[in-house]
Amino acid sequence: AQTVTQSQPEMSVQEAETVTLSCTYDTSESDYYLFWYKQPPSRQMILVIRQEAYKQQNATENRFSVNFQKAAKSFSLKISDSQLGDAAMYFCAYSYTGTASKLTFGTGTRLQVTL
Amino acid sequence: NAGVTQTPKFQVLKTGQSMTLQCAQDMNHEYMSWYRQDPGMGLRLIHYSVGAGITDQGEVPNGYNVSRSTTEDFPLRLLSAAPSQTSVYFCASSYSRQGDTEQYFGPGTRLTVT
Repeated sequence: AQTVTQSQPEMSVQEAETVTLSCTYDTSESDYYLFWYKQPPSRQMILVIRQEAYKQQNATENRFSVNFQKAAKSFSLKISDSQLGDAAMYFCAYSYTGTASKLTFGTGTRLQVTL
Repeated sequence: NAGVTQTPKFQVLKTGQSMTLQCAQDMNHEYMSWYRQDPGMGLRLIHYSVGAGITDQGEVPNGYNVSRSTTEDFPLRLLSAAPSQTSVYFCASSYSRQGDTEQYFGPGTRLTVT
């Protein structure tokens, strides 16, 4: 079975600085997708960024980018120019192509943004 | 377009009581699922449905029942609530069964079982 591990329960970053959240996963599949979700205090789950395993190019969405290392099964999220609104729980998630969008989540990293 | 809606937002139950958490989506999505979120454990899949009349178990299905009679609705039933079911429950939907499609999450229901 696939597993997703986030080894940083909490991280802190100063406003305007850059922070990287770590995620590793384990799977025997070759075709899958990886996601980062943001959960602010409102509890709403918000998709931040998505990466297809067959693509070597790292995904980017504005200030958010990933470092996808397929051989190492690593999928880190970089947030540039951090803003106060970035403070939230961040979850890494995995989905195998053939499993009907079933997501396997990591345990999350709480990101604090300080002035 | 309301997206994914869940009712109630909060609920307190006594051990042994039963209840139904409601989930509805107005996006004509084929795929719907239920997750629970516990502190320190992320979200875990309870049950999912790939279309009306078709449901299957996820990672933690015990104590929960689902059915899917329409495309729009996917209720989650707790048959006999237990304190271990205290959690935040999320319903999600997506337009495709493929793993790459975005799942849209509801706002969640916080359930406390005493």
